[in-house]
Amino acid sequence: GAVVSQHPSRVICKSGTSVKIECRSLDFQATTMFWYRQFPKKSLMLMATSNEGSKATYEQGVEKDKFLINHASLTLSTLTVTSAHPEDSSFYICSARGDGPEQFFGPGTRLTVL
Amino acid sequence: AQSVSQHNHHVILSEAASLELGCNYSYGGTVNLFWYVQYPGQHLQLLLKYFSGDPLVKGIKGFEAEFIKSKFSFNLRKPSVQWSDTAEYFCAVRGGSSASKIIFGSGTRLSIRP
Repeated sequence: GAVVSQHPSRVICKSGTSVKIECRSLDFQATTMFWYRQFPKKSLMLMATSNEGSKATYEQGVEKDKFLINHASLTLSTLTVTSAHPEDSSFYICSARGDGPEQFFGPGTRLTVL
Repeated sequence: AQSVSQHNHHVILSEAASLELGCNYSYGGTVNLFWYVQYPGQHLQLLLKYFSGDPLVKGIKGFEAEFIKSKFSFNLRKPSVQWSDTAEYFCAVRGGSSASKIIFGSGTRLSIRP
């Protein structure tokens, strides 16, 4: 099956700094990528959908200026958490889809904001 | 908009017991349905999926699910659980075309007593 990677797997940062998380499709071209957030012992909440070369579509209640998404190529999408605060601490998971209906999930990135 | 609900938040079973986890979705059109599993400390894995055809879907590790359109349900079953099945299980739905996003249920935590 197709592989989606995320980097870093874990990141700890100070409050007020910005953190960038990368999501890569390793063996296919991802026309669409999705970013999810998972709180401890909770489900995955969709944050935004991004298509290569266009602006991301954010779900209701997600601050687009807080969570910047860039899908600059068919194999890379980045999520930047700007001016991170402790409440942004969470598990961020990306997912990618190519031309087919399958959607493949990355291993996730655990963000801890001190 | 599509939504999915999982009624069992936490299920506790003994080894060799049979399992059925409920999942109901809300969407009026064509749907794709999924069950994902998340083992402790690990990332999301696809157990099985339904796109079309035979409503009884067999997945990995002895799991199966049945799509009952009239009941808007996609319950997950396993005839005999093992201790290693201890995990969080998520039902997910994608409504409309394959271009749509996948929405997750709240998850069911399964604990197996050895």
